[in-house]
Amino acid sequence: GAGVSQSPSNKVTEKGKDVELRCDPISGHTALYWYRQSLGQGLEFLIYFQGNSAPDKSGLPSDRFSAERTGGSVSTLTIQRTQQEDSAVYLCASSPVGNEQFFGPGTRLTVL
Amino acid sequence: EDKVVQSPLSLVVHEGDTVTLNCSYEVTNFRSLLWYKQEKKAPTFLFMLTSSGIEKKSGRLSSILDKKELFSILNITATQTGDSAVYLCAVEAAGNKLTFGGGTRVLVKP
Repeated sequence: GAGVSQSPSNKVTEKGKDVELRCDPISGHTALYWYRQSLGQGLEFLIYFQGNSAPDKSGLPSDRFSAERTGGSVSTLTIQRTQQEDSAVYLCASSPVGNEQFFGPGTRLTVL
Repeated sequence: EDKVVQSPLSLVVHEGDTVTLNCSYEVTNFRSLLWYKQEKKAPTFLFMLTSSGIEKKSGRLSSILDKKELFSILNITATQTGDSAVYLCAVEAAGNKLTFGGGTRVLVKP
């Protein structure tokens, strides 16, 4: 069975450009999470989708960050006008009913 | 604001040693505490704890939760070089959102 997948695995971009990161959760998982891990830091919550409910966006660091989840499955995290401090590994996780989250391999974003 | 603090930040041990990792938390509407092991990028799940005083074990790893004193410990006995990783503690509160600690980096030397 496929796990959570993310693409691209690595992304290098120039400051000021927009980037889109994709997450394909495990089929049937109703919850989807985005996290960010900066070098040497713990995981930072960004946004949470649960079914058809309004997403919990409380972790998004600025209005340059947005995410959507289409059809309750695939999610895209968009960062507009990227800054160097956006460089991090962006992790996606999905969860069935219950608590355990299954993480994807992450996307390493480098903003030059 | 929910808070999770892990200690120590890092430690270095030799194979065969036992390590104890600490996680303390301040969370409103606690639901569960989870431990993860992170070697490359994605953390892998180790334990989920919801009840105080009940030890969970998996091979050489074990963990216990104290909901009165608001902490958990993760023990690794007879450490091996493959145990080298960052160990993350996370607490889930109402709303299914996890708050992660900063992690403990463990290095096991041969």
